[in-house]
Amino acid sequence: GQQLNQSPQSMFIQEGEDVSMNCTSSSIFNTWLWYKQDPGEGPVLLIALYKAGELTSNGRLTAQFGITRKDSFLNISASIPSDVGIYFCAGQPSNNAGNMLTFGGGTRLMVKP
Amino acid sequence: GAVVSQHPSRVICKSGTSVKIECRSLDFQATTMFWYRQFPKQSLMLMATSNEGSKATYEQGVEKDKFLINHASLTLSTLTVTSAHPEDSSFYICSARGRRGSPLHFGNGTRLTVT
Repeated sequence: GQQLNQSPQSMFIQEGEDVSMNCTSSSIFNTWLWYKQDPGEGPVLLIALYKAGELTSNGRLTAQFGITRKDSFLNISASIPSDVGIYFCAGQPSNNAGNMLTFGGGTRLMVKP
Repeated sequence: GAVVSQHPSRVICKSGTSVKIECRSLDFQATTMFWYRQFPKQSLMLMATSNEGSKATYEQGVEKDKFLINHASLTLSTLTVTSAHPEDSSFYICSARGRRGSPLHFGNGTRLTVT
């Protein structure tokens, strides 16, 4: 299916730095989700957003549902080595009655100790 | 803890044989389950939507006779890769949602290698 535009594709940062990644779409979304995938495992849900403008935190992670409903960002503060992995945004379009998700291409995060 | 259990985590099979992958929802009844395929360094590609008690809905380009899906109960969906070929080698991931509007939770994936 159609993918969301997720950027950056990869990041290599120093431990302790903050990280920001985002997803954009030409379509309106009802739901934005952020997942993290470790090598060889399935994605794990980090944050779910259901309302335009919603800002939600989960520990060092913060995500926002854009007001236009066409974008979302995920911030990670004070990164640590275990933050390494691939982060995916996913959204449910407003015209989707079956709750299928559209995924971003992923952001590969590497953290240097 | 895990809310969706997928089994096996790894399987190696010979070309021409069939492989069954199970996806179970542990703490909830999953009216809908989704099966994804993921190639190395790529995002998840939806293969099919599995609805309890009815036929699965396949995405364009996915062969329904090759990837058989059975969602016989509210807690179990199976994906059977029939007559597997080396090009079917991939990472297969299931996901499930309970009530409408709840987020999807993913299984840990199955690494299939066809020799």
